[in-house]
Amino acid sequence: EVQLLESGGGLVQPGGSLRLSCAASGFTFSSYAMNWARQAPGKGLEWVSGISGSGGSTYYADSVKGRSTISRDNSKNTMYLQMDSLRAEDTAVYYCAKDRKRTTVATFDYWGQGTLVTVPS
Amino acid sequence: QSALTQPASVSGSPGQSITISCTGTSSDVGAYNYVSWYQQHPGKAPKLMLYDVSNRPSGVSNRFSGSKSGNTASLTISGLQAEDEADYYCSSYTSSSTLVFGGGTKLTVL
Repeated sequence: EVQLLESGGGLVQPGGSLRLSCAASGFTFSSYAMNWARQAPGKGLEWVSGISGSGGSTYYADSVKGRSTISRDNSKNTMYLQMDSLRAEDTAVYYCAKDRKRTTVATFDYWGQGTLVTVPS
Repeated sequence: QSALTQPASVSGSPGQSITISCTGTSSDVGAYNYVSWYQQHPGKAPKLMLYDVSNRPSGVSNRFSGSKSGNTASLTISGLQAEDEADYYCSSYTSSSTLVFGGGTKLTVL
């Protein structure tokens, strides 16, 4: 059974940093791209970042480019999102999602339950 | 990276069919067949309902179907059931090797 468990969310002051983690199990982690998506309170989904199965290719939404770094440790079956210079508009539930493919960020067939990041205004 | 355009809300009675549209551009929906649809119930994580425009993952009811014409993709739910009431999001791969979601559609089963 595929399981994705996010952690690392919490309250952080504007300008601060946070590292989110996503621990995966139930599939061959290195064979699939992984992604982060977020959902602000009462709002829609927003894709944040993706990383290929090998970790050699990374992708970012314009809203976080330059402020965030996605990475993965295939030996630990874990993906990370380092977020810096956090702003109030980064407040959201952050979801970890598995892609159906190894290299592209296109289809998320499994999602975690999310971790809440709060940046007060 | 502008969001794909979806109607804010749609509604239908049990047993009826509804269609939700998802309009993008020639750089996303119109360029690739990597359109997906997700269902999200309140307080829950999204669930994949369709991928690659019209493919259903294992376990998803065949009442859910998808299509695409030009820059617009569509999700059709036939034989509407109370449990279908949820938010629905489309997504598309883009020419920038990124992904974009639609703004979401709230489906109400009357």
